Amino acid sequence: DSGVTQTPKHLITATGQRVTLRCSPRSGDLSVYWYQQSLDQGLQFLIQYYNGEERAKGNILERFSAQQFPDLHSELNLSSLELGDSALYFCASSRGGANTGELFFGEGSRLTVL
Amino acid sequence: DQQVKQNSPSLSVQEGRISILNCDYTNSMFDYFLWYKKYPAEGPTFLISISSIKDKNEDGRFTVFLNKSAKHLSLHIVPSQPGDSAVYFCAASENSGGSNYKLTFGKGTLLTVNP
Repeated sequence: DSGVTQTPKHLITATGQRVTLRCSPRSGDLSVYWYQQSLDQGLQFLIQYYNGEERAKGNILERFSAQQFPDLHSELNLSSLELGDSALYFCASSRGGANTGELFFGEGSRLTVL
Repeated sequence: DQQVKQNSPSLSVQEGRISILNCDYTNSMFDYFLWYKKYPAEGPTFLISISSIKDKNEDGRFTVFLNKSAKHLSLHIVPSQPGDSAVYFCAASENSGGSNYKLTFGKGTLLTVNP
């Protein structure tokens, strides 16, 4: 158990809809990261928040947005969903800037868009 | 453009033998490299890392080698055990400090260790 909690574990929705994925980091971790893993792809970095502020951005679509709340939990909002958004979405956390390189990952939220 | 490449989607080895997983990168700004292991229905878990100032790091049965001139790293598992069967991801970062941090992952290699 990494200590990172993601909900929901599975989500099935239709094209055009909007969903919210939630992540609770490990106790004491200030940074939250979101990654997307599509079929046959590695983990693609989406975005990082550190203590409530956006710190690094990857190839995150404009239809996607995220935020980190004062209690440090984070939400990833996916809107106008397309079939290609079907993927496993991972949240990870680290104490600070993770200069040891170690991120702690949740079990992921599997999104299926029909 | 994939900056971290794991060219072998899968690898099968016999229990007790050595497993060698390879990874190549193209971004010369990467200065920290990591291996993560992932079991089905679980998130990736950190295995071992290496800074660009080193060429080898060892942790028990796991050793990571870095060849900066070739932009290549490898993970050696000796001896391999059936419980090592998992997907192994190579990852790299160009930030070795500070509060903004981004890992670039390869697509992973599925290791199967046969009893």
